[in-house]
Amino acid sequence: EDKVVQSPLSLVVHEGDTVTLNCSYEVTNFRSLLWYKQEKKAPTFLFMLTSSGIEKKSGRLSSILDKKELFSILNITATQTGDSAVYLCAVDTGTASKLTFGTGTRLQVTL
Amino acid sequence: GAGVSQSPSNKVTEKGKDVELRCDPISGHTALYWYRQSLGQGLEFLIYFQGNSAPDKSGLPSDRFSAERTGGSVSTLTIQRTQQEDSAVYLCASKKGWANTEAFFGQGTRLTVV
Repeated sequence: EDKVVQSPLSLVVHEGDTVTLNCSYEVTNFRSLLWYKQEKKAPTFLFMLTSSGIEKKSGRLSSILDKKELFSILNITATQTGDSAVYLCAVDTGTASKLTFGTGTRLQVTL
Repeated sequence: GAGVSQSPSNKVTEKGKDVELRCDPISGHTALYWYRQSLGQGLEFLIYFQGNSAPDKSGLPSDRFSAERTGGSVSTLTIQRTQQEDSAVYLCASKKGWANTEAFFGQGTRLTVV
């Protein structure tokens, strides 16, 4: 059975800190790994990673994939209270398959 | 439409009643997913439609749950004889065809069974 595991489950940091969120996976077929941010109900797309070692970056957020070790990390530098959310990792396992999600990491950024 | 649209946004129903949740995907997106998220939990896969292919129903938790997709566009998730454990946020997402791209989510329907 395909599995995606995220850690930590939750995290509380002070504004300005840097955080690293982890996502590991075991799947039968890998096509891409996606990161989403969920603040209320609808997850919003952050990154899609398909190749190892190539960093994707958007402002203070960045992510990288290691297909040999089967994990990805999401980094957030200089955190702000607006970064408080649940961060979801998902793996796309192919053209006729579902996205398999991890349970998410709940990040709280305090003043 | 511009984004994935779900209705209703909130639904309170009595135990034992049937409910229908609707998802209108982004125009031209042939892939459509339904997920369920219970309070504080991750996204639980329910069902996946891709074009005219047979849907992947492997995530439906019981035969009280069913979904259809008419004309390759709008999808309806039906829950019969609702139970309190069905209370959750039901999220729909769509994606462009077979492409290796991101899926876009709707705002979800919060279902409360009392």
